[in-house]
Amino acid sequence: RKEVEQDPGPFNVPEGATVAFNCTYSNSASQSFFWYRQDCRKEPKLLMSVYSSGNEDGRFTAQLNRASQYISLLIRDSKLSDSATYLCVVNIYNQGGKLIFGQGTELSVKP
Amino acid sequence: EPEVTQTPSHQVTQMGQEVILRCVPISNHLYFYWYRQILGQKVEFLVSFYNNEISEKSEIFDDQFSVERPDGSNFTLKIRSTKLEDSAMYFCAGSLVSGNQPQHFGDGTRLSIL
Repeated sequence: RKEVEQDPGPFNVPEGATVAFNCTYSNSASQSFFWYRQDCRKEPKLLMSVYSSGNEDGRFTAQLNRASQYISLLIRDSKLSDSATYLCVVNIYNQGGKLIFGQGTELSVKP
Repeated sequence: EPEVTQTPSHQVTQMGQEVILRCVPISNHLYFYWYRQILGQKVEFLVSFYNNEISEKSEIFDDQFSVERPDGSNFTLKIRSTKLEDSAMYFCAGSLVSGNQPQHFGDGTRLSIL
């Protein structure tokens, strides 16, 4: 089983749509969770950290379910500029800060 | 906003040659990392570095790889004898603390081995 698994994608949506990304992780010692976005051939950029209580940043909402080892990202009112690959990222306790990345889910927002 | 800077942006090297990839982390970061991403694949952890020591390394980080922070600002990744399969984007990252803090990535060095 992959350490971090994401929806394979790609997701093609019209502007203004709501889109949801799912992610599961296999290591129960995972302690920190993040969503990064990556534009083509660029570096990963932090979108948001994910907290147990769930958190929101503008149009973006992240949820974490530790019991199910499941993370989600919801994007509301999607913009053309949201087109990117969304990376689910997990940090494992006591492993030197190592981040484990999912394969990523590509999002394409069309006019 | 402070940035992590990497040089060169693109490095082309003959197989078997040594390469050094350079990174200048954000000045108040204490933990440093190298990751790589082979074209079309996911980002993979190579090594973490704190207090002038390797904290953790992956299976990829074999004897051909080394890291150092020679002058307190630059953080380098050396590959002693490059192989074709070392061709990838290499990203440097840093964080204030390990664990809960997110890591901030440089814009990467594209390494092409011929």
